[in-house]
Parts: sequence; structure tokens; C-alpha cells
Amino acid sequence: DAMVIQNPRYQVTQFGKPVTLSCSQTLNHNVMYWYQQKSSQAPKLLFHYYDKDFNNEADTPDNFQSRRPNTSFCFLDIRSPGLGDAAMYLCATSRTFPGQGTDTQYFGPGTRLTVL
Amino acid sequence: KQEVTQIPAALSVPEGENLVLNCSFTDSAIYNLQWFRQDPGKGLTSLLLIQSSQREQTSGRLNASLDKSSGRSTLYIAASQPGDSATYLCAVKNNYQLIWGAGTKLIIKP
Repeated sequence: DAMVIQNPRYQVTQFGKPVTLSCSQTLNHNVMYWYQQKSSQAPKLLFHYYDKDFNNEADTPDNFQSRRPNTSFCFLDIRSPGLGDAAMYLCATSRTFPGQGTDTQYFGPGTRLTVL
Repeated sequence: KQEVTQIPAALSVPEGENLVLNCSFTDSAIYNLQWFRQDPGKGLTSLLLIQSSQREQTSGRLNASLDKSSGRSTLYIAASQPGDSATYLCAVKNNYQLIWGAGTKLIIKP
């Protein structure tokens, strides 16, 4: 059974055209994360939510925003995608507050974003 | 600042061989270390998680070790199979986030 679901799996957008990626979870986890992963690179954390508390990484561009309307859903909005934003976007969840060391993160299958 | 390195970046071995993937990190103050598998174009699957107080974890043909004092972890794969072909990433947990290596791309030749 899918636990972390991302839609769509593939997204094509035009340069500058806003796009929204979706993540939902059936695990009832407190924490949700968004990562950006470019080809052959490590995932890069963009931001995370602990419940409704939003935590932005210092180097995440302003072009990237996120919303978490409820426990189950989290959205990544890219306001004006550039060619450099083409990447795999991964959503993950964890049960406990970040820093409590015993938990693991559960990842969705990712959304591959292409910018034309 | 924590840095995680995985060497080699790519590895190709014949089916049936035992192999070791390496992960090193610069700051020993970690909560845990995880090994993940990523198939091409797919998300990440957690394979093994080692808490900072542990030395190793095993799951089936996989064994992961952790030596915090030297800043090293290894992932041992026994009797490799073509289905093991994937990219393997390690990540250490500092405070609230995971710090990732860039991965080792493993190809098992039939």
C-alpha cells in the first residue's frame, strides 16, 4: 500500500509558468519534507513542516513556496520555474520531531519536473 | 559543517560477488546513519538505519556497519544479484536534517 504519494509523477512546464506539485501521506506523520534532487546529485532539503510549523532552509530560493493545509497533504509551489529548476522533487515524512534520532524518513516516488 | 562522501561514485561487479560500499562523514556528532536505495527515476527506499550507539545492522543479504570515531560506515552486500543494481546513498542525521552523500551507482552484471 502506498504510504507517501506524489502527483503527478512527471510534470512538464514552460519557463516562468507556475507549477504545483502534490504530496499526500497515509502514515499520519507529523513531519513532511520537500527535497530537490538533480541528476547524479544528493537530495537537497528545501523545507520541512513539523505539524503546521514551516521551516525554510536558508539557501532555498524565494521562488519555492510550500503549503500544508492538513496533516495528510503538502504542496510545493514553484512560482516562476527556470531551466535550473528541472529536477526530481521528493517528498518525505517522518513520525517524530526532527532531532529525535530513532525515526526514519519515508519517501514518495518523486515528481520529475521538466522546464521547457 | 557536516560533509558526507561516498566512494566510489560507480561500481560494476559480476553477479554472485560480495561487495562493500563506503560512506565517510566529517563530524562524528550524529544521531544516526541510514543507507537508502534509489532505482533510476524513482524515489528513495530506506534499507538500514544505524543509531549512533549501534555498531551494525543487518537485513537479509545486507549488513551496515558504523564507526563513529573514524567517521565511516560500510554497506556490505552478500551474493550480489542483478536486482541489486541501483544507486545507494548514505545519509547522516544532524539535528533536524539528513546530510546526504552523492551515492554509489552499482551495476551487477549477469
